[in-house]
Amino acid sequence: RKEVEQDPGPFNVPEGATVAFNCTYSNSASQSFFWYRQDCRKEPKLLMSVYSSGNEDGRFTAQLNRASQYISLLIRDSKLSDSATYLCVVRVSSNTGKLIFGQGTTLQVKP
Amino acid sequence: EAQVTQNPRYLITVTGKKLTVTCSQNMNHEYMSWYRQDPGLGLRQIYYSMNVEVTDKGDVPEGYKVSRKEKRNFPLILESPSPNQTSLYFCASSFGGATNEKLFFGSGTQLSVL
Repeated sequence: RKEVEQDPGPFNVPEGATVAFNCTYSNSASQSFFWYRQDCRKEPKLLMSVYSSGNEDGRFTAQLNRASQYISLLIRDSKLSDSATYLCVVRVSSNTGKLIFGQGTTLQVKP
Repeated sequence: EAQVTQNPRYLITVTGKKLTVTCSQNMNHEYMSWYRQDPGLGLRQIYYSMNVEVTDKGDVPEGYKVSRKEKRNFPLILESPSPNQTSLYFCASSFGGATNEKLFFGSGTQLSVL
């Protein structure tokens, strides 16, 4: 089983749709969680950190479920510019710099 | 401008010819790391460094070396490249220490080993 798993998609949705991605992680000791966005073969950029209480940034909402060991990303009112690959990232321990990336979920928003 | 600079952007080489990909950051970050990205596999961590003279293996360190003699630089060295090291490579840095620090990535190096 992969340490961090994502459904690769692609998710094809119309503009204005709400779409949700999940990411599961296998190590229950994992400390920190992030969503990054990557446009085609460009460098990933931080979209949001994910906190236990959940957090929202405009149209984006991230949630963490430690009991079931998954994090989620919800995008409301999808825009064409949201088309990208979304990477789930997990840091197992604050004492090490080891980061584990999911393989990414591809979103295509169509007019 | 705060940035992570990788060079070269593209590199084609032949099996066995030693090469170095440079990575430099101007943000005084403690933490730096290298990743490779392959289709269907996502980004995999090669090596990371928590500070000067401190380096550790990531998930796929075989065939790679790194050094961290100065805070700003973290070169990736392939002593004897092989075709299975053909990949897109990214360097990244962050302040480190805190659990929710943001990673800043370089623009990537597309390496082809023939």
